[in-house]
Amino acid sequence: GEDVEQSLFLSVREGDSSVINCTYTDSSSTYLYWYKQEPGAGLQLLTYIFSNMDMKQDQRLTVLLNKKDKHLSLRIADTQTGDSAIYFCAALGDSSYKLIFGSGTRLLVRP
Amino acid sequence: NAGVTQTPKFQVLKTGQSMTLQCAQDMNHNSMYWYRQDPGMGLRLIYYSASEGTTDKGEVPNGYNVSRLNKREFSLRLESAAPSQTSVYFCASSDKRTNTEAFFGQGTRLTVV
Repeated sequence: GEDVEQSLFLSVREGDSSVINCTYTDSSSTYLYWYKQEPGAGLQLLTYIFSNMDMKQDQRLTVLLNKKDKHLSLRIADTQTGDSAIYFCAALGDSSYKLIFGSGTRLLVRP
Repeated sequence: NAGVTQTPKFQVLKTGQSMTLQCAQDMNHNSMYWYRQDPGMGLRLIYYSASEGTTDKGEVPNGYNVSRLNKREFSLRLESAAPSQTSVYFCASSDKRTNTEAFFGQGTRLTVV
């Protein structure tokens, strides 16, 4: 079955860029997502990318997809203290309804 | 629109007790999910329901049962709670026909003592 992996922790200085990485195993994954979770809250969708795309940009967020390596990344430009949260990568196959999440990357933004 | 509503928000159970976590969505979504979140382990899929009338096991189904009561409601039952089931439980819904984004409830924090 699908397995999604992320590094557990990232610390950056305010104003720098953050890059959070994710790998997945199922090559049929068609929909790939980034969710954000703030303390004590549920998950909110940040952005997503379809497998027929290589890149998607949305204001400060850039998603890069390397299908060959099954690697997804989320870049946050000009990271702010309000970006401190846990970021989850998730994958969904085209013919599947099984939405699988990674372990989450805790982003800490230092002033 | 309320989105995805979970009840209760907090619960403490004794080992061996049973309980049902309720989830309802008002977005007319076909698919619903139950996840548990444990520190360092992310969200793990317990059960999901692709559409009304169907349910399937996820990554960690042991110790749980689910019921897709109707299109709106998807409940998760712990028949005999164990301390290992102490976790935060999230319900989510989505629909591939419209968009594929999953919407999440606010979570249920369950402690089994």
